Amino acid sequence: GESVGLHLPTLSVQEGDNSIINCAYSNSASDYFIWYKQESGKGPQFIIDIRSNMDKRQGQRVTVLLNKTVKHLSLQIAATQPGDSAVYFCAEAFSGGYNKLIFGAGTRLAVHP
Amino acid sequence: DTAVSQTPKYLVTQMGNDKSIKCEQNLGHDTMYWYKQDSKKFLKIMFSYNNKELIINETVPNRFSPKSPDKAHLNLHINSLELGDSAVYFCASRPGLAGGYEQYFGPGTRLTVT
Repeated sequence: GESVGLHLPTLSVQEGDNSIINCAYSNSASDYFIWYKQESGKGPQFIIDIRSNMDKRQGQRVTVLLNKTVKHLSLQIAATQPGDSAVYFCAEAFSGGYNKLIFGAGTRLAVHP
Repeated sequence: DTAVSQTPKYLVTQMGNDKSIKCEQNLGHDTMYWYKQDSKKFLKIMFSYNNKELIINETVPNRFSPKSPDKAHLNLHINSLELGDSAVYFCASRPGLAGGYEQYFGPGTRLTVT
């Protein structure tokens, strides 16, 4: 079956450190992956995405890495700030299913001063 | 000028009642979604409409009935509410099936069934 999961349910980091949030997926047919950030009381907000023909994509302070061999996805946040505290979700999609997003369980990132 | 809006933000009701949640997007998108987020923060798709046509209907009790009067609106009606329906319901939209996969989410509606 389809599943997207996370290795760590909660991640605590010091302000200024780099954060790495991991995600495992099981559907080898997935060709698109996306990370969302959800702050308390708000809806998920797009962070960055990557297609399966890429291994790495960088944004502003964020990098997504995709390892298709082991079906692993990670989100790296550089110089983590208190405003980065939120729940982070990875999601996968494949073009054959109306591009339906299948979300992982979420990782809570807590940034301490 | 909120992109995806939902009403109400909070909804408290008793078991057995019927309630509706409304969603509107002003992004000009063709595709809209309803998601349910449970107490463990797990997000699961329920329905999707593309140009007012139902394209995704997950295993959801038939007490839940979506309706899309036009491309900009997707409403969710729930009959005979049960305790297990308590959750946060999110609406989302996307440009269209041929466009990017990124979905834009609304602020959510927290439904509490007592």
